[in-house]
Amino acid sequence: DGGITQSPKYLFRKEGQNVTLSCEQNLNHDAMYWYRQDPGQGLRLIYYSQIVNDFQKGDIAEGYSVSREKKESFPLTVTSAQKNPTAFYLCASHLGGGGDADTQYFGPGTRLTVL
Amino acid sequence: AQTVTQSQPEMSVQEAETVTLSCTYDTSESDYYLFWYKQPPSRQMILVIRQEAYKQQNATENRFSVNFQKAAKSFSLKISDSQLGDAAMYFCAYSGGGGADGLTFGKGTHLIIQP
Repeated sequence: DGGITQSPKYLFRKEGQNVTLSCEQNLNHDAMYWYRQDPGQGLRLIYYSQIVNDFQKGDIAEGYSVSREKKESFPLTVTSAQKNPTAFYLCASHLGGGGDADTQYFGPGTRLTVL
Repeated sequence: AQTVTQSQPEMSVQEAETVTLSCTYDTSESDYYLFWYKQPPSRQMILVIRQEAYKQQNATENRFSVNFQKAAKSFSLKISDSQLGDAAMYFCAYSGGGGADGLTFGKGTHLIIQP
């Protein structure tokens, strides 16, 4: 089955710790994205990557870092510098190239809670 | 910067009736995409419908259709013959720059279906 997987589904972090959220896709999509969702809010863009070894900051990149060493993988690290990391994190991808190929598809999400 | 506004935090409709969800956006671009996504309690983001700005014809997907008014920067979603499974959060989203730069979301409308 082709799709986007995120792990873990739930993640608990102590204050001061860095944690890494996994996002993997087997859709052969070029572009991948990370979004954050807070209660009662829409999604906000954290980072995105259009090709391997390249990525750009989104609207709320402070306190987060990413890497894109493989086309299939786009892990997100939530660092201790992120002041309010408790949120729902969604990964998305799209093929790119125009038309239907520019539609983003989403993974199931990771719920991060800071204890 | 682009903005997306959903002015209805919550809507309620009787099963089998029709409901319209509103969305307005602000952009200076001429080429862009608009989307409606559905987020049920599972929190999985599901694409409902997409519209390319250069297309004058309104997009339709079975019971779902849009009213795209480019000059007014309005993009409403009509759900016909509402079903219990339509109950969810609905998010309007904008994508410019050829679709590669990430989505800008509204804050969502919570749709309740009354049996």
